[in-house]
Order: sequence, then C-alpha cells, then structure tokens
Amino acid sequence: DQQVKQNSPSLSVQEGRISILNCDYTNSMFDYFLWYKKYPAEGPTFLISISSIKDKNEDGRFTVFLNKSAKHLSLHIVPSQPGDSAVYFCAAGQGNLIFGKGTKLSVKP
Amino acid sequence: NAGVTQTPKFQVLKTGQSMTLQCAQDMNHEYMSWYRQDPGMGLRLIHYSVGAGITDQGEVPNGYNVSRSTTEDFPLRLLSAAPSQTSVYFCASSFHSGTGNGYTFGSGTRLTVV
Repeated sequence: DQQVKQNSPSLSVQEGRISILNCDYTNSMFDYFLWYKKYPAEGPTFLISISSIKDKNEDGRFTVFLNKSAKHLSLHIVPSQPGDSAVYFCAAGQGNLIFGKGTKLSVKP
Repeated sequence: NAGVTQTPKFQVLKTGQSMTLQCAQDMNHEYMSWYRQDPGMGLRLIHYSVGAGITDQGEVPNGYNVSRSTTEDFPLRLLSAAPSQTSVYFCASSFHSGTGNGYTFGSGTRLTVV
C-alpha cells in the first residue's frame, strides 16, 4: 500500500506560468517532507523540504505547502522555466524516506 | 568533494551471476542507503545503514546483501542475479536518517540481468 502518492504521472506547463505538483500521504507520523528533482541518467537532487510543524516553505521560485489535515503536500514553481523540465519526486518520512512514483514536468517555451 | 560515487555506471549480468555495486561517500555521513528505481514504481528502499557496523532491511531487501565496515563505503551485493533485479540502483547518504535537509544521491548504476 503506497504511503506517498503522486497521482499525476505527467504535467505540461507553458514557460512563465505556475507549475503545481501534488502529493498525498497516509502516515500522520511523518515529520519531514521533501521534493527531489531528477534529470535523465542522473541521481535525484534535493530541491526543498518542510517539517511537519510548518505549513509553508519558500526557496526562490520554489514553494512547498503542507496541509496536515488533508495529508497533502504541493510544490509550486513560479515562474516555470524550460530547465525545470524533469521528474519530480515527493518524499516523506520520520527516519528513512519513502518516495512517490514521480511526476514528469514538461515546461514548454 | 566527490559526494556520492557509484560504480559501475552500467552492468549486464547473466541470471545466476553475482556482483557487487560499489558506493562511496566523502562527506563523513553516518547514514547511507540503497534504492532501486523501476518504471512506474518510484524509488524503493533496499537496505540502509545508520553507521559503520549497523545495517537494516528496507522495503525490498530480498536477493541483496549489504555490509558497512567503514563510514565511507556501503556496497550492495547481488547474490544470484535474477531478471527481476533489472533496475537502476541509487546510493544515498546524509548526516542522519531523520533529516529535513535531504539525501545526497549518487548518479546511479543501471543493471540489466539477462
């Protein structure tokens, strides 16, 4: 049974617009939530995280929102750029990280 | 700093062969782990270690062995390769497992078992 779910396998967005990637989780004991970005033939790279005691964290163009009551996490990228095209993994845990299946983001010029 | 180094980058094995995937980090991280990535399955944890001499199983440990004799190295051994072990393998490390700063991943080993 998946504890971390990314229900959208892919997302296509126009350059300059907002990209919103979503993630749902089932375990209320998770205390850290993270987003990773992965380009083909490379390892995942850490993007941004949020702890369970917060509901928002920003880093430049990237903002992560956490809704604990809904067990929902989202990543907003504003403005989206073609270089943001990659697979984005949501991860959560209180020790080892559990990853979602990923969402492939395509940003079109 | 090299970060997390995985070797080899590519490997083809015949069913029943054994091999070791190497992983080394130079960041003095206590925590290391192995994940496999399969199409449509995301990243699944195979084994992990919270320090030298300590290892434990993850979600999909069957068919794999690990050891952690030094802080730097965390090799993954395939005992008798099967086609179901065809995958991309990633090694990751961090200062400790419960970190909000994320793991540092290696660039992966693409393994094909025929």
